Amino acid sequence: DGGITQSPKYLFRKEGQNVTLSCEQNLNHDAMYWYRQDPGQGLRLIYYSQIVNDFQKGDIAEGYSVSREKKESFPLTVTSAQKNPTAFYLCASGTSGFTDTQYFGPGTRLTVL
Amino acid sequence: DQQVKQNSPSLSVQEGRISILNCDYTNSMFDYFLWYKKYPAEGPTFLISISSIKDKNEDGRFTVFLNKSAKHLSLHIVPSQPGDSAVYFCAASGGSSNTGKLIFGQGTTLQVKP
Repeated sequence: DGGITQSPKYLFRKEGQNVTLSCEQNLNHDAMYWYRQDPGQGLRLIYYSQIVNDFQKGDIAEGYSVSREKKESFPLTVTSAQKNPTAFYLCASGTSGFTDTQYFGPGTRLTVL
Repeated sequence: DQQVKQNSPSLSVQEGRISILNCDYTNSMFDYFLWYKKYPAEGPTFLISISSIKDKNEDGRFTVFLNKSAKHLSLHIVPSQPGDSAVYFCAASGGSSNTGKLIFGQGTTLQVKP
């Protein structure tokens, strides 16, 4: 089955710890994206990558880091510098074309204790 | 600066009737618009899109209308079904960067009552 997988579904971490969220796609998409959703708000872009070994900051990149070593994978690290990390994190991929439709994974709910 | 706005946080309609969800944008350079549907604790699902060269696009029960002069788009669902109850996000792309980045609205929660 083609699609986007995110793991884990739920993640708990203690304050001050870094944590890495996984995102894998087998859609052969060039572009991958990380969003954050908070209650009552839309999706806000954290980081995106249009090609392997290259990525750009989105609107709320502070306290986050990413890597894109393989086309299929785009892991997101939430660092201890992120002041308000509890949120629902969504990964997406797309063709990076003019009329790019992004397809989303199931999301990871991160809770900082 | 909210470039894409969905001014109605919620909408309730009766099963079988029409649901109309609205979205306004401020950036005249946006040239591609999408609607996504989202259930709680799940990722958004792509519904329908429209490019700026069109003013209407239809897919089954879903129709999206684009009014470029008013910078407004709407999603019509006819007939509405209880399974349509979800949060609907509009999104836009284009502009100076044209990198495929999407700008999302805040979402509208649709409730379809049986």
